[in-house]
Parts: sequence; C-alpha cells; structure tokens
Amino acid sequence: KNQVEQSPQSLIILEGKNCTLQCNYTVSPFSNLRWYKQDTGRGPVSLTIMTFSENTKSNGRYTATLDADTKQSSLHITASQLSDSASYICVVTSRSNDYKLSFGAGTTVTVRA
Amino acid sequence: DAGVIQSPRHEVTEMGQEVTLRCKPISGHNSLFWYRQTMMRGLELLIYFNNNVPIDDSGMPEDRFSAKMPNASFSTLKIQPSEPRDSAVYFCASSLGEPDTQYFGPGTRLTVL
Repeated sequence: KNQVEQSPQSLIILEGKNCTLQCNYTVSPFSNLRWYKQDTGRGPVSLTIMTFSENTKSNGRYTATLDADTKQSSLHITASQLSDSASYICVVTSRSNDYKLSFGAGTTVTVRA
Repeated sequence: DAGVIQSPRHEVTEMGQEVTLRCKPISGHNSLFWYRQTMMRGLELLIYFNNNVPIDDSGMPEDRFSAKMPNASFSTLKIQPSEPRDSAVYFCASSLGEPDTQYFGPGTRLTVL
C-alpha cells in the first residue's frame, strides 16, 4: 500500500530559528514528490517538486531534499518568519498505468516571536 | 491572471439536495484536479483531467459524485444526493501538465446538514 508518513505532527519554533520536516514514503513506482504550504483557510501553495534524479531543490528560505534510495524527503526552513506558520504537506506521485497521489497528513508549524 | 477561480466559496445545503461546485482553471493550463480536504482524512485527489479528458477518477468516492470538463476553461463537480459526510473543503487546481506546479483555487467549503 502506498503510504506517506510525515513527522513531526506539529512543532513550535522561535522566529529566526531553523527547522526540518520529514517525509517518508513507500510509494512505488515513484514519479515525483511535492511539498506544499497551506495557510489556514487557504488552498495549498506549491513549494517544490522533485523527480527521481533530483536530490535538492530550493525555493527561497525553503530547501527540500530527496533520497530516492531510502525513500525519504525533508523540508528545511531557514531563518523562520511568522508567516511560515502553516501546515506543510508532502505529496508523492506514482505513475505507471495510472496516476496516483499519496498524501501525508501534514506537519503544522507555529512560529512564535 | 486571476488564478484558479472557484464558486461558490461557501455552500450550506440539506441532505439529499444536489450540489454543484464550479471551477475556472488558469488560462492555458491543460490539467485540472479536484481535491477534497477534511480534518479526518486530510487532502484527497478526487479526479484528474488532462486536455478536458478524465485521466483518473479512482478517487471519486461513489456514484453520487460526478465531474465534467466541457471545455478548457470550466469544470464542475456535482454531488447528488448530498450527505452530511460530504461536508469538506473542495479544492480545484490546474497546471500546465504533470509534473508541473499545480495552482490551487481558494476552495469551496461545503456543509451538508
């Protein structure tokens, strides 16, 4: 069964600090992995998309890594800001004869001043 | 561009009634996705269209749900008859194709009483 596990479920950090979110998956065959940021009451916003051959991708203060061998990804937030408070969702795409998305439950990040 | 447009933003209806949600994708995008999000189940993909053709609808929960894309600029998701367990936020997203960035609309919050 294709699964995506995210950890931690939630975390609180002080403004200016760094944090790392984890995403482990068992999806196969793997096509790509996405990280989304979702503010409360809004739709998800894409942060990064990585395919099998990519192991690092950055979007401003957000850096995602992918280890396709161990099926692990991380999202690192550098110098956090209050606006980083949101839910971060990992989504893995599988594509062989059909198109399947497997979703993590998300990590809720709260940045405090 | 105005982004993905969804209507209505909020819908409250009674059990047994028909509900129609609407989506206008970003102009020029040829892929369209309908998602559902609840606290219990998180984000789920319902159906994926490419060039107005349904590619994967395995996420559609049951026959009460149907989706159409009559042209490149409009899609509907219909629930008939609606049930309280259909209460959720329904998102529409569009992209240039897979695995390009998906842009989400603001969502429709559906409450079925």
